[in-house]
Amino acid sequence: EVQLVESGGGLVKPGGSLRLSCAASGFTFSSYSMNWVRQAPGKGLEWVSSISSSSSYIYYADSVKGRFTISRDNAKNSLYLQMNSLRAEDTAVYYCARDRVWQQLVLGQYYYYYYMDVWGKGTTVTVSS
Amino acid sequence: DIQMTQSPSSLSASVGDRVTITCRASQSISSYLNWYQQKPGKAPKLLIYAASSLQSGVPSRFSGSGSGTDFTLTISSLQPEDFATYYCQQSYSTAGYTFGQGTKLEIK
Repeated sequence: EVQLVESGGGLVKPGGSLRLSCAASGFTFSSYSMNWVRQAPGKGLEWVSSISSSSSYIYYADSVKGRFTISRDNAKNSLYLQMNSLRAEDTAVYYCARDRVWQQLVLGQYYYYYYMDVWGKGTTVTVSS
Repeated sequence: DIQMTQSPSSLSASVGDRVTITCRASQSISSYLNWYQQKPGKAPKLLIYAASSLQSGVPSRFSGSGSGTDFTLTISSLQPEDFATYYCQQSYSTAGYTFGQGTKLEIK
């Protein structure tokens, strides 16, 4: 069964740090880009960060750039999010999600469509004094 | 950054109704548009990718259409399990995905 399981959430004071983990199973983890997506209480979904399969490409939302670091260990089938300088507005459920790509050939040109097809259940981060 | 705007923000409908949710991008995103369903306390679930491709296992009453800046998600005949919040998401910019603000579908 394809599965993602997040861990590492908890209560942390403003300015503190936390490291989230996401354990993957049931698929070849090293072949997929991965994402972190968060959802503040009562709010919508916010993409946080992405990392390519070999860690060559890494992207962050402006709201976390310079404070959060995404990484992965393909040997351990694991994704991580190091969160530093945490703020109250970082309080959210954090999901890891697999990035799937669909390749379409149209008139001799390939187009690559990305979508998040597998999600974990999430881990809750609360930033409060 | 590409902004995604959904309408309406909330919607009341009855079982059996046909429902349409709209998503508009701040710039053309071709067909790089996905739709997700989320139920309270649960992770999002992929419904539609590449604007109109139905994810495996998703009922055929769900369909997506559009390209460029304007997209729609249609549920042809609402079932009780369809009452949830729906999000669109652009994947045109792989350096920064963005979601719409969500549309909450409630029972009338």
